[in-house]
Amino acid sequence: DAGVTQSPTHLIKTRGQHVTLRCSPISGHKSVSWYQQVLGQGPQFIFQYYEKEERGRGNFPDRFSARQFPNYSSELNVNALLLGDSALYLCASSLDPYSNQPQHFGDGTRLSIL
Amino acid sequence: QQQVKQSPQSLIVQKGGISIINCAYENTAFDYFPWYQQFPGKGPALLIAIRPDVSEKKEGRFTISFNKSAKQFSLHIMDSQPGDSATYFCAAFGRFTGNQFYFGTGTSLTVIP
Repeated sequence: DAGVTQSPTHLIKTRGQHVTLRCSPISGHKSVSWYQQVLGQGPQFIFQYYEKEERGRGNFPDRFSARQFPNYSSELNVNALLLGDSALYLCASSLDPYSNQPQHFGDGTRLSIL
Repeated sequence: QQQVKQSPQSLIVQKGGISIINCAYENTAFDYFPWYQQFPGKGPALLIAIRPDVSEKKEGRFTISFNKSAKQFSLHIMDSQPGDSATYFCAAFGRFTGNQFYFGTGTSLTVIP
């Protein structure tokens, strides 16, 4: 079975631009979470979506937004990119967000801002 | 405020030795504690996890020890191998703590042949 897939794998943008990152969860998983991982740090929670609704939001500015589609795939959008947005963006899926189910991560999108 | 504190930041162990990584948490509402292993260029992969109703869980060479009263848990890697060289993250989750996993800052493990 395919794991969590993310696209693109790498992306280079300049300050002020907009970016869209995509995630397909493991088949059967209805919950998708997004994390930002800065080099040398642990993942920081951005959003969680379940059944197409936002169920959790981390401490990130409104420039960050996301959505989940009927097939449970998800997009993360970041507007007005800043140099500090350079990071590995990780998507994780799980069966649901309420039970203690393990999250399974994709390999991420490496975003570089010039 | 760092919800989960992890130490050490880096660790060097001889092949065959025991690697020990420690984590501490504050929020007693956490009720699920996984460990993740991450190789360069890859996403974190679930290694082993524990719930607070048990004090120890073992899977192969990997063991989690959990001390609920001290709010601490640790990962022990027995018979460490060069292939174990990676970054390890502890994490914590609670059903009533915002539907998110809180991660430690990571430990870079190097196993010397």
